[in-house]
Amino acid sequence: KAGVTQTPRYLIKTRGQQVTLSCSPISGHRSVSWYQQTPGQGLQFLFEYFSETQRNKGNFPGRFSGRQFSNSRSEMNVSTLELGDSALYLCASSLVDSYNQPQHFGDGTRLSIL
Amino acid sequence: QKEVEQNSGPLSVPEGAIASLNCTYSDRGSQSFFWYRQYSGKSPELIMFIYSNGDKEDGRFTAQLNKASQYVSLLIRDSQPSDSATYLCAVNLSGNDMRFGAGTRLTVKP
Repeated sequence: KAGVTQTPRYLIKTRGQQVTLSCSPISGHRSVSWYQQTPGQGLQFLFEYFSETQRNKGNFPGRFSGRQFSNSRSEMNVSTLELGDSALYLCASSLVDSYNQPQHFGDGTRLSIL
Repeated sequence: QKEVEQNSGPLSVPEGAIASLNCTYSDRGSQSFFWYRQYSGKSPELIMFIYSNGDKEDGRFTAQLNKASQYVSLLIRDSQPSDSATYLCAVNLSGNDMRFGAGTRLTVKP
């Protein structure tokens, strides 16, 4: 069974640009969560989608947004990029919903802002 | 108070010893608890999950949960150098909201 697939693996952008990251969950998994990981802040929850609806959202500005499609694939968008957005962005999927279900992570997208 | 707290370490143990990793959480309504291992430059990998008070064993790993004291721990028996990694505690807060601790860096010395 294929794992969680994130594309692209690496991305370099400049301040002010926007970026879209993609995540394909494990087949059959309907919940997709996004996290930002930095050395200083650790793993920070961005949002969670289930059945195309955002169910939970972390404490990130509105520049961070996401969506989920009917096939459970998800995208995350960051607009007006700032230097502080440089991080590893991780997507995780779980079977039905994240409650009581383990999340399985993709390899992440490493975003660098110049 | 942080929602999920871990000792950042580093925790250093000799090969063959027992490594003990601890985690406390603030939300008494939390129902599910997870341990992930993350090697440098890699994504977190699920090791164990536990829902009920007590111990849960899987090979060399034992997860322990005490909801009254709001702590969860991970014991690694017969530690190997390949166990050297950062261990992340994750708690699913009431309301279906996953939170991670900052992680404990473990080094197992040959």
